[in-house]
Formats: sequence, structure tokens, C-alpha cells
Amino acid sequence: EVQVVESGGGLVQPGGSLRLSCAASAFTVSNNYMSWVRQAPGKGLEWVSVISSGGRTSYTDSVKGRFTISRDNSKNTLSLQMNSLRPEDTAVYYCARDVAAGTANWGQGTLVTVSS
Amino acid sequence: QSALTQPASVSGSPGQSITISCTGTSSDVGGYNYVSWYQQHPGKAPKLMIYDVTNRPSGVSNRFSGSKSGNTASLTISGLQAEDEADYYCISYTSSVTYVFGTGTKVTVL
Repeated sequence: EVQVVESGGGLVQPGGSLRLSCAASAFTVSNNYMSWVRQAPGKGLEWVSVISSGGRTSYTDSVKGRFTISRDNSKNTLSLQMNSLRPEDTAVYYCARDVAAGTANWGQGTLVTVSS
Repeated sequence: QSALTQPASVSGSPGQSITISCTGTSSDVGGYNYVSWYQQHPGKAPKLMIYDVTNRPSGVSNRFSGSKSGNTASLTISGLQAEDEADYYCISYTSSVTYVFGTGTKVTVL
């Protein structure tokens, strides 16, 4: 069964760092466009970042220079390194395969809380 | 990277049809046939309902259909049912090699 499972969320102080991971099953991360999407409490979905099958990365403007998306082909995992975290980064973070295609698969999300 | 514009809420009675619009620009919705629609129930992960403007994934009811005209995509739900009450989001690929979601629409079944 195709599945993605996120981990690594938690409570972090403003200015701190956190690394999210996404473990994939029954498909190869490096053969797909993998995205991170977030949803702040009570708010809508916001696309954050993508890494293409060719390794090209893109980010939404609000996280450029602070977040880095990467993948580990040997472990078939996706990661999101988040630095200089702000309270407005507080959200549930979802890992998603092919977010705008017919082969889309999402995890259940991991909560990141940025607060002092 | 402005969010695509959706109505905040749409309502209908059981059995009726409703349509949710998703308005962007020629750099996103109007420029590509990579528009998808998601349904999200409270506390749950989003579920793909439509992809590539008009296509339904396996297992999604044929009561859901998608279309596009110019810079506006639309999701129509026919034969509205109580279980359709949820939030709905569109998403489009963009010319900046990014994606952008819509603002979201709350569907209420009266």
C-alpha cells in the first residue's frame, strides 16, 4: 500500500530549528514530485516546497532562505530542514507525493508549534 | 504567489447541485491544465477529488466534476449529500515552478 508518514514535529522556540522527515512506502521518492504543505490552526492549506524527480527545488516566498527540502534516496525519505522559525510557521505539516496529480498521496501530518 | 480566490462558503440542500469557483491568473490556472481539487473534513488529511482539471481518481464519486474556462476552474458537486459537507481547496501548478492553493470553500449541506 502506498503510504507516507511524517515525523519530527514538536515545540520549538522562535529562532530555533527543526527537521521534519517523511518515510515513503510502496513507491520511490526520487521518481516523484514530493511536496510539503502546511496548515496553520483554523486556516487553509498552504503549499511550502517541492523537490522534483530531477532534484529541482522550489519554495513559497515566506520560507525562502529558511527552509530546505531534500531527499535521501538510500532511505527513500523526504526531509524539510526548518531554520529561523517564526510563530507564523506554527502549523500541521503534510508530506505529499504528486500534490497536484492523480497519483497524489498525503500523510496524516505532523504538528510544529513555534512558541516561547 | 497570491492564493487562488475561492468563495468562503457555498451551501445547498440535499440533492441539489453546487459549484465552487477557483480564480487565478494566466500564470497558474489559465496557463496549465494542472488544477486539482481537495476535500478536507475536520481533523483529517485532504483527499484528492479531481486532478488535471477534469479527471476523477479511482473511488471518487461521479457526482464530483471539474472544468475550467480561462483563468477560472470550477468544481461541481451534483446530488449533494450530507457527507459532502467539508472544506474544499483547489491547487494549481504555476509558471514559477511552484504550486498555489486556493483560499478554501466551506460547503454546508442545509
